Amino acid sequence: TQLLEQSPQFLSIQEGENLTVYCNSSSVFSSLQWYRQEPGEGPVLLVTVVTGGEVKKLKRLTFQFGDARKDSSLHITAAQPGDTGLYLCAGGGSNYKLTFGKGTLLTVNP
Amino acid sequence: NAGVTQTPKFQVLKTGQSMTLQCAQDMNHNSMYWYRQDPGMGLRLIYYSASEGTTDKGEVPNGYNVSRLNKREFSLRLESAAPSQTSVYFCASSIGGQVGQPQHFGDGTRLSIL
Repeated sequence: TQLLEQSPQFLSIQEGENLTVYCNSSSVFSSLQWYRQEPGEGPVLLVTVVTGGEVKKLKRLTFQFGDARKDSSLHITAAQPGDTGLYLCAGGGSNYKLTFGKGTLLTVNP
Repeated sequence: NAGVTQTPKFQVLKTGQSMTLQCAQDMNHNSMYWYRQDPGMGLRLIYYSASEGTTDKGEVPNGYNVSRLNKREFSLRLESAAPSQTSVYFCASSIGGQVGQPQHFGDGTRLSIL
């Protein structure tokens, strides 16, 4: 069974601060996806990374896939209250299923 | 653009009652999924359907059944509800057929079993 460990589980910061969320596994994944979920809604895809060492940027968000494709990180620069939400990483294997981490609940205070 | 539509949005059941959660997607996706989300547990896969006509168990299938009615619709049934099945249920779909395809989620069904 493939497992994804996310850390930290909770993060509360002030507007303007930087933060990093980590997603780690002992298993190799073919792809790694990051989703953001707001209260009362389903998760929404932010990014997919498929190549070891790959870095993708989405405005103030930077996503990295580890060289061995076992880990990933999400870095947010100058966080804003609108970044508040549950961030989920999900690993894809050789089938159509995703393995989700337990999530990081981010609160950005004005 | 409806995407993935789940009904109902909220439901309260008594222990032992049965219920079917409905899910429909309008994106012509091949694969569909049912998850449950509990506090501190993340999203756990209940059942999935890689393509029309096929269904497979996920991580937590006990107490549930599914039907892939056609390409658009994938329903989840609780035959005899138990308090442990109190959760938020999400349906998702993806194009399928290729590694790394994103999943598109509905807004969930909040189910309470008394």
